[in-house]
Amino acid sequence: DGGITQSPKYLFRKEGQNVTLSCEQNLNHDAMYWYRQDPGQGLRLIYYSQIVNDFQKGDIAEGYSVSREKKESFPLTVTSAQKNPTAFYLCASSIGGSSGANVLTFGAGSRLTVL
Amino acid sequence: GDSVTQMEGPVTLSEEAFLTINCTYTATGYPSLFWYVQYPGEGLQLLLKATKADDKGSNKGFEATYRKETTSFHLEKGSVQVSDSAVYFCALSAQAGTALIFGKGTTLSVSS
Repeated sequence: DGGITQSPKYLFRKEGQNVTLSCEQNLNHDAMYWYRQDPGQGLRLIYYSQIVNDFQKGDIAEGYSVSREKKESFPLTVTSAQKNPTAFYLCASSIGGSSGANVLTFGAGSRLTVL
Repeated sequence: GDSVTQMEGPVTLSEEAFLTINCTYTATGYPSLFWYVQYPGEGLQLLLKATKADDKGSNKGFEATYRKETTSFHLEKGSVQVSDSAVYFCALSAQAGTALIFGKGTTLSVSS
């Protein structure tokens, strides 16, 4: 079955350490996204990529980095510069392009806790 | 900029009650509108969508109508079930191919 796989589901790290969250999709989607979810704040866009080897900052990109070397993969690195990294991280993908409603398919999420 | 505002929760209902979750938006142009649902510990799932004014999206007994004159996309269900307990997000896509902008989410709790 096609879908999005995020790993790990739970991650604990010490302050000052960089961590990388994995996101893989087998939907053949061009566009991929990273959102951060905090209680009472909804989803906020970190980065998105509409095509391989290209990505754009979202509303809260500071302290995060991404790469898009392959169509199916869009890993997110939470760096030590991110002041409050404890959150639930959601990866999503969509067909992309410039026509039609932009329906996103989401992964199950990764919960990062910084100790 | 573009934004989505949803009613704050939590919303607590008894089984078989009528549900309304309000959603209004601010956007230039003609956005597409969505409702997503999130069950505990999971990612979001698309519930329904509408792409132009007066369109009605529907799925699993839920409905929402795209009202351009009131910039609204309220979610309704005639008779809720315990299994509908979840967090509901309203979202918009201002242009085709752009990232979705989400509201803050509304938690629904249904008791038997």
